Amino acid sequence: EAGVVQSPRYKIIEKKQPVAFWCNPISGHNTLYWYLQNLGQGPELLIRYENEEAVDDSQLPKDRFSAERLKGVDSTLKIQPAELGDSAVYLCASSQGSAGNTIYFGEGSWLTVV
Amino acid sequence: SQQGEEDPQALSIQEGENATMNCSYKTSINNLQWYRQNSGRGLVHLILIRSNEREKHSGRLRVTLDTSKKSSSLLITASRAADTASYFCATDSGGNKLVFGAGTILRVKS
Repeated sequence: EAGVVQSPRYKIIEKKQPVAFWCNPISGHNTLYWYLQNLGQGPELLIRYENEEAVDDSQLPKDRFSAERLKGVDSTLKIQPAELGDSAVYLCASSQGSAGNTIYFGEGSWLTVV
Repeated sequence: SQQGEEDPQALSIQEGENATMNCSYKTSINNLQWYRQNSGRGLVHLILIRSNEREKHSGRLRVTLDTSKKSSSLLITASRAADTASYFCATDSGGNKLVFGAGTILRVKS
């Protein structure tokens, strides 16, 4: 069974440019998460979807970040415009069913803003 | 904001020794999960322990949970060089939303 798939794995962009990350969760997983991980830190939740509904986006900086999960499967996370401080790893994760289930992570998308 | 705090921040041991990492948290939880992250890679799930459990084992891994002290420990026995990684605890206080600590960097020297 394929795990959580993310692309691109690495991205280098200039500040003020837009960038988008794509995530394909594990088949059958209705819950999808985007986490941000800064160097030397643990991941922090940006947004959580239950199917196509964003049920927790309280930590998503909505002035420049947006996310969507139109058909309740794949998801994209966009930053526009990117700032130097956005350099980090963007991790997508998914889980199945109700609370208390294991959450599985992708390999992450490593963003460098120069 | 991060709820879990791992201790120590870094740990260096010889191959074959045991490694113990601790995690403390602030609020009540439904479950606590431990993850491993190799350099440049994503997080790999190790163990989930529920709030009504006190101890779980998986291979060379042993996790304990003390809800009265709001703490958990991860023990890796007979460590190997391949165990070198960062280890994170993450708490779920409801809604399957994990809050991670800053992690423990483990280095196993061969």
